[in-house]
Amino acid sequence: EDQVTQSPEALRLQEGESSSLNCSYTVSGLRGLFWYRQDPGKGPEFLFTLYSAGEEKEKERLKATLTKKESFLHITAPKPEDSATYLCAVQAAQGGSEKLVFGKGTKLTVNP
Amino acid sequence: NAGVMQNPRHLVRRRGQEARLRCSPVKGHSHVYWYRQLPEEGLKFMVYLQKENIIDESGMPKERFSAEFPKEGPSILRIQQVVRGDSAAYFCASSYSGVNTQYFGPGTRLTVL
Repeated sequence: EDQVTQSPEALRLQEGESSSLNCSYTVSGLRGLFWYRQDPGKGPEFLFTLYSAGEEKEKERLKATLTKKESFLHITAPKPEDSATYLCAVQAAQGGSEKLVFGKGTKLTVNP
Repeated sequence: NAGVMQNPRHLVRRRGQEARLRCSPVKGHSHVYWYRQLPEEGLKFMVYLQKENIIDESGMPKERFSAEFPKEGPSILRIQQVVRGDSAAYFCASSYSGVNTQYFGPGTRLTVL
């Protein structure tokens, strides 16, 4: 069974304090690994898709990396507006379904 | 460009009533997915549809739940005879094809009294 585990469950940072969020996964052939951001009361907002080990993608203060077993979301010099829950999901290459399997998320709070 | 639209945004039902949730995908997207998010839980896949076809319903309870994506009009997730355990946020996502990124709507928050 495909599984995604995110850590830590919650993270508090001071503005400007860089850190990383972890997403460990087991999947029967990875088609893609996805990062989303979710604000309270809203739907997940797409951030990145990673397809193969060694791939990296960046957007503003965020950088996502991928290995064969885990992905990291690095946040550089975060601002209070980066506060949100960050979700990781995988899509399997096999089985014929395109469903995403999500982790429970990391709730990030950035204090000014 | 309009993103995924869902309505209603909030829905209150009494036990035993029917809940009908609607989802209009991004224009040009023909793949629709429904997910459920329970309090303190992650998003769970329910069903994957293409126009007029259910492709994967492995995450949907076998009783009381049904979904459709007709040739014309929005996708509908229908929950019959709702129970308190159905209270959750229901999200719809759409993609251009099965291998493309899924974009999510704002969700429908169902409360069962």
